[in-house]
Amino acid sequence: AQSVTQPDARVTVSEGASLQLRCKYSYSGTPYLFWYVQYPRQGLQLLLKYYSGDPVVQGVNGFEAEFSKSNSSFHLRKASVHWSDSAVYFCVLNNYAQGLTFGLGTRVSVFP
Amino acid sequence: ETAVFQTPNYHVTQVGNEVSFNCKQTLGHDTMYWYKQDSKKLLKIMFSYNNKQLIVNETVPRRFSPQSSDKAHLNLRIKSVEPEDSAVYLCASSSGLGVPSAETLYFGSGTRLTVL
Repeated sequence: AQSVTQPDARVTVSEGASLQLRCKYSYSGTPYLFWYVQYPRQGLQLLLKYYSGDPVVQGVNGFEAEFSKSNSSFHLRKASVHWSDSAVYFCVLNNYAQGLTFGLGTRVSVFP
Repeated sequence: ETAVFQTPNYHVTQVGNEVSFNCKQTLGHDTMYWYKQDSKKLLKIMFSYNNKQLIVNETVPRRFSPQSSDKAHLNLRIKSVEPEDSAVYLCASSSGLGVPSAETLYFGSGTRLTVL
């Protein structure tokens, strides 16, 4: 069975600081991996996705993620956060047969 | 602007009542979904609907039923709500074939249901 673990339920950072959100997955095949963001009172929006090629993928709003097959990880990064980045971030694993598996999300709070 | 639209944003009701949530997508997608997001932010797929083919998550109680008039609309009806139905219900669409693959899902803003 596939699973996604986001070990940090909450992360607090200062505006302008760097951010890394961890994601570990468990899946025997080739994973399709996504990061979605949910802003307050809104639906989920896609940040970026990976399923082949360069293990570092660029997303919207300055986010990037790095896939590591050896570590079964897909960590999300941003060099300098803005207060508007405060949201819940979901790591998502997908395979064609079983569909989407969402992590529990990491709530990011950015303070000025 | 094209997107996925859900109504209502919030709904409060009592145990045993029937509720219905609407979802419309203007993206021209072929597949629509309903997800349930619980208080711990965990998302679980409930239904996907593609070309009149309904794929149901077998763990979904029978009091839940999707209703579609065309591929742009997928409503969710709950007969006789129960307290554990309190959650945020998210509608999504994709251009895929009914099982989310590498396709991007586009989500609506959600409907928050509170059952008293």
